Amino acid sequence: DSGVTQTPKHLITATGQRVTLRCSPRSGDLSVYWYQQSLDQGLQFLIQYYNGEERAKGNILERFSAQQFPDLHSELNLSSLELGDSALYFCASSFEETQYFGPGTRLLVL
Amino acid sequence: GESVGLHLPTLSVQEGDNSIINCAYSNSASDYFIWYKQESGKGPQFIIDIRSNMDKRQGQRVTVLLNKTVKHLSLQIAATQPGDSAVYFCAENGAGGTSYGKLTFGQGTILTVHP
Repeated sequence: DSGVTQTPKHLITATGQRVTLRCSPRSGDLSVYWYQQSLDQGLQFLIQYYNGEERAKGNILERFSAQQFPDLHSELNLSSLELGDSALYFCASSFEETQYFGPGTRLLVL
Repeated sequence: GESVGLHLPTLSVQEGDNSIINCAYSNSASDYFIWYKQESGKGPQFIIDIRSNMDKRQGQRVTVLLNKTVKHLSLQIAATQPGDSAVYFCAENGAGGTSYGKLTFGQGTILTVHP
């Protein structure tokens, strides 16, 4: 158990819908990262927050957004969902450089 | 065009053998490297890391070797056990600036350990 928690574990929704994925980092970690893992793209970095502020951005679609709250938990919002957004979404947290991953949210868009 | 799933390299070993998993990285400016293990249905689990000012680091049953000249990383697992069966990923960070915090992952290697 890495200490990073993610909810929900599974999510099934329809195209065009919007969903919110939630992440609680390890105690004491200020950085939160979001990654997408799909069969054809592997593990891809989406975005990083540090103590409430956006720190780094990867290949995140404009339909996706994230935020980190004062209690340091983070949410990833995915809107106008498409079939191709079906994937595993992982959150990771770190105090320094080593990132520890949560168990992921499996999103299925039908 | 039609998308194709990743075809991951595979390594099949017998229990008790030593395993070596290789990884080529792309960014010569990366200064931090990590190996992760991912079991089916779980998130990546940290195994060991190494900084670019080192060429070898040892953990419990694992050793990471870094060759910056050819941008190559390897993970050695001693006395491999069935519980080591998983997908192994190497990852590199950016060397600061806009790449800070972003981990770039390799495609992964499937390790299967036979009893």
